[in-house]
Amino acid sequence: DGGITQSPKYLFRKEGQNVTLSCEQNLNHDAMYWYRQDPGQGLRLIYYSQIVNDFQKGDIAEGYSVSREKKESFPLTVTSAQKNPTAFYLCASSSLAGVGTQYFGPGTRLLVL
Amino acid sequence: DAKTTQPPSMDCAEGRAANLPCNHSTISGNEYVYWYRQIHSQGPQYIIHGLKNNETNEMASLIITEDRKSSTLILPHATLRDTAVYYCIASPQYGNKLVFGAGTILRVKS
Repeated sequence: DGGITQSPKYLFRKEGQNVTLSCEQNLNHDAMYWYRQDPGQGLRLIYYSQIVNDFQKGDIAEGYSVSREKKESFPLTVTSAQKNPTAFYLCASSSLAGVGTQYFGPGTRLLVL
Repeated sequence: DAKTTQPPSMDCAEGRAANLPCNHSTISGNEYVYWYRQIHSQGPQYIIHGLKNNETNEMASLIITEDRKSSTLILPHATLRDTAVYYCIASPQYGNKLVFGAGTILRVKS
């Protein structure tokens, strides 16, 4: 079964703590993306990567970091510098030839304790 | 990327066609129209996209006006499972991101 997996489904963060959200794809896609969604809002791009060992900031990268050491994996770290991290985080991937056709994972809901 | 405008919400009776409009009056020649939907608490799902010709797949039809300033997504026989937020996006096919607005909440009612 090809697709994108995200874990965990729910994540709790304490004040001052860094947390890492996992995103894995077996679609052999070159490009991967992280979005944030707040209640009742659309998606906002955090980071994206078009190739291994390379990534670019999106519209709201402050307080987040990413790595792309393997084609299949694109983990997102929410650092303590992100003052309002409570949101729904979505990972997506696409082939470079079809950036507009993105496949999304099920999402991780991050809550601050 | 061109800005798109969608109604905030729409209702549709089960079994009837759902017609979701989208305005994109500033769309440029290299921008496609993409439609996604998001069922509550799930990741968005790609539906269909087109440049200037009408398109149809197993999920929906996309009708784009000749001047490309607006489009309509048609779900021919809506079911309760089609209740979702529908996003219309104008974007180059080889760009680096999709811009998701607030979308249209479609409620299919029995």
